[in-house]
Amino acid sequence: EVQLVESGGGLVQPGRSLRLSCAASRFNFYDYAMHWVRQPPGKGLEWVSGISWNSGHIGYADSVKGRFTISRDDAKNSLYLQMNSLRPEDTALYFCVKARSGYDYDAFDIWGQGTMVTVSS
Amino acid sequence: DTQMTQSPSSLSASVGDRVTITCRASQGIDKYLAWYQQKPGKVPKLLIYAASTLQSGVPSRFSGSGSGTDFSLTISSLQPEDVATYYCQNYNNAPPITFGQGTRLEIK
Repeated sequence: EVQLVESGGGLVQPGRSLRLSCAASRFNFYDYAMHWVRQPPGKGLEWVSGISWNSGHIGYADSVKGRFTISRDDAKNSLYLQMNSLRPEDTALYFCVKARSGYDYDAFDIWGQGTMVTVSS
Repeated sequence: DTQMTQSPSSLSASVGDRVTITCRASQGIDKYLAWYQQKPGKVPKLLIYAASTLQSGVPSRFSGSGSGTDFSLTISSLQPEDVATYYCQNYNNAPPITFGQGTRLEIK
């Protein structure tokens, strides 16, 4: 079964950093664009960032631009999100998601279970 | 950025009812529209992509239509297991990818 497993979430103070990881299995990771989507407690979905299959195209939501960096390591079938200068409004469940096709921006057909990030003093 | 507006924000319907949720884009997005179902405490699940293409394994009572700025998700005969929040997603004019605010569906 195709699987995405996130890790790296936790409680962090405002202004500090955190790095999320996502391990992919049972599909050709290198063929697909990958994204991060977040969901604050009790609220809706917000796209955070995406990276194309060859890392040649990267995009960010305005709310995280300049603070977050997405990257991937195809040799390790892994996706990452480096989060710096964290703010209380970054508190959310962070999902790693797979694009349905090789196109950079497409529907998301596989979602991880999510990793919770809480930013609080 | 393309804003996505869903209506209604919540609705209550009876088992067997035909239910329709609408999603309006602030600018034309062709057919680059997906629908997701998120059951309480669960991960979102892709139902429909390209506005009207049913994702593999999704029951045929779900259908999608529309193009440009106006889209809809229809459940032909509501089942108890369809209780969830439904989100539309635009993936044209990206980045950013944008989601609607969600529609909470309950059983009457």
